[in-house]
Amino acid sequence: NAGVTQTPKFRILKIGQSMTLQCTQDMNHNYMYWYRQDPGMGLKLIYYSVGAGITDKGEVPNGYNVSRSTTEDFPLRLELAAPSQTSVYFCASSYPGGNRNTEAFFGQGTRLTVV
Amino acid sequence: SQKIEQNSEALNIQEGKTATLTCNYTNYSPAYLQWYRQDPGRGPVFLLLIRENEKEKRKERLKVTFDTTLKQSLFHITASQPADSATYLCALPGGSGNTGKLIFGQGTTLQVKP
Repeated sequence: NAGVTQTPKFRILKIGQSMTLQCTQDMNHNYMYWYRQDPGMGLKLIYYSVGAGITDKGEVPNGYNVSRSTTEDFPLRLELAAPSQTSVYFCASSYPGGNRNTEAFFGQGTRLTVV
Repeated sequence: SQKIEQNSEALNIQEGKTATLTCNYTNYSPAYLQWYRQDPGRGPVFLLLIRENEKEKRKERLKVTFDTTLKQSLFHITASQPADSATYLCALPGGSGNTGKLIFGQGTTLQVKP
């Protein structure tokens, strides 16, 4: 199992450009998440999905969009990059509910700089 | 609103000693609490989960306590080693429903010196 895989690992964007951060998981988890982490701060939830075709906003969704067409993939789209979106982005998945462990599995992160 | 506080100052200890990290929360009655380890340039890795009806949980050299009255969790690493040096994050379930969303503290960086 590869777990949660994110691409790219690093990216520099110019203000106003757009890009998609890719995330895929091979654990058949229904639940997937996008977090951002700024220096010295905890992770903040951007968007999440409880299954294919279902997405919802997290704490800091402005400037981002997501889609979930399959169980495996959960891409994050930045339409008009702004310097405030300079951050490290983490994708995660989990299988909460019932007696299952609710631990989250994280990808390696995408370090994005907007200049 | 829900708030989680971890000691933002780095914790420096000598190898072999016990490291104790603190996680406090307010405006909240969580069903469980989790601890993660994060190494530089890597994603968080799950360590332990403790539920509201559990006072203490152990895993090898790790021990977590959960005091719902004090609204506090303590994370202990006994016989610490330089390899334990990392940032440790506590996390609580975010929002209602069983969605697996998490709210994270800002993390405490532990440095174990040989």
